[in-house]
Amino acid sequence: QITLTESGPTLVNPTQTLTLTCTFSGFSLSTSGVGVGWIRQPPGKALEWLALIYWDDDNRYSPSLKNRLTITKDTSKNQVVLTMTNVDPVDTATYYCAHTQGRVRGVPNWFDPWGQGTLVTVSS
Amino acid sequence: DIQMTQSPSSLSASVGDRVTITCRASQSINNYLNWYQQKSGKAPKLLMYGASSLQSGVPSRFSGSGSGTDFTLTINSLQPEDSASYYCQQSYSIPIAFGQGTKVEI
Repeated sequence: QITLTESGPTLVNPTQTLTLTCTFSGFSLSTSGVGVGWIRQPPGKALEWLALIYWDDDNRYSPSLKNRLTITKDTSKNQVVLTMTNVDPVDTATYYCAHTQGRVRGVPNWFDPWGQGTLVTVSS
Repeated sequence: DIQMTQSPSSLSASVGDRVTITCRASQSINNYLNWYQQKSGKAPKLLMYGASSLQSGVPSRFSGSGSGTDFTLTINSLQPEDSASYYCQQSYSIPIAFGQGTKVEI
């Protein structure tokens, strides 16, 4: 059974750096084809894809946020970390990580399953 | 970048109704289209992949169709537990894009 759990601060001051950790079980990020993605959802709004990382360290980022995001993996700890610099109140959202298996032209097939999400509020 | 547009943004239906949600891509994505269900306060759950393949464990009243730019998600015989928001997502190219969602109320 695959499970993912997001963790990180619930409140962040504007201009600070946000660090989120996705801890997973039931799969390994050293297995061919496996990846983990991050997706966020502002309150009452739609889903927005942020970044993903594959077993072979191939990273992909949303172009609109690429300059502010870094995604890394620690295979030994079964963790994926997303950092977002210079946060703003518009970054207030529930942040999800999700498992993916397989890719075509660098694009993941789909995301399944997802973690339960963690709500991050950006405010002074 | 590919944009995904869903319609309607919300709908209200009764138990037993047939409901159809439409998703349109700004350019052809072949059948690289996935559907997710999100219940209030919960994480999204994969419903359909490859436009028309039902994810394991998903009731057969859900079905998907389409190819190219136009796709539909159909719920036959709507049930109370289908009250949720539904999102389409293209897996054709980076950046990955989701539709704006359709809220189904029963």
